[in-house]
Amino acid sequence: EVQLVESGGGLVQPGRSLRLSCTASGFTFGDYAMSWVRQAPGKGLEWVGFIRSKAYGGTTEYAASVKGRFTISRDDSKSIAYLQMNSLKTEDTAVYYCTRVGYCSSTSCYARAPSYYFDYWGQGTLVTVSS
Amino acid sequence: QSALTQPASVSGSPGQSITISCTGTSSDVGGYNYVSWYQQHPGKAPKLMIYEVSNRPSGVPDRFSGSKSGNTASLTISGLQAEDEADYYCSSYTSSSTRVVFGGGTKLTVL
Repeated sequence: EVQLVESGGGLVQPGRSLRLSCTASGFTFGDYAMSWVRQAPGKGLEWVGFIRSKAYGGTTEYAASVKGRFTISRDDSKSIAYLQMNSLKTEDTAVYYCTRVGYCSSTSCYARAPSYYFDYWGQGTLVTVSS
Repeated sequence: QSALTQPASVSGSPGQSITISCTGTSSDVGGYNYVSWYQQHPGKAPKLMIYEVSNRPSGVPDRFSGSKSGNTASLTISGLQAEDEADYYCSSYTSSSTRVVFGGGTKLTVL
């Protein structure tokens, strides 16, 4: 059974940093891209960024709203994905979900190529940015 | 304001069919077959219902189907059931620097 468990959320002051962790189990972590999606209280979903698998370069991409402040990394030996959040703003207050990125199903895609959908989600961890 | 436009709410009676639309542009929905749909019950994490426009993950009832025409994608739920009452979000790849965009969400009420 695929499981994603986030940790590290909490209350932090504006301008400070916080690191979230996502511990994965039930699948070969290193074979998948991982992504973070957030949801502000009472609002909709917002993609934060993702990190590709090592087979696809381990590269990262970010939403414009967090680029330059947030960094996603991974430790395949521990099956953990991280979200390092710096220079936090009050508008970063949200539940942060760790997600697994599904594989591309098209016959034109390379084997195990990442697609742009999220097939498994963690339960989320709340980050509150407030003074 | 979300990048993809969804109706704020839809409703239907048990057994009926409803369709939720998701309108974007040629830079996202219309240009790529990377539209996905998520169901979210209150206080819960979202759940994938449809991926790459019309593919259904294993375990998702075949009452749920997805399609796309031009810049608008649609999620259809047939044979509505009480447990379908939830928020639904569409998502798409976008050629902009922000690679993935979501719709604002649609609240489905089963009357």
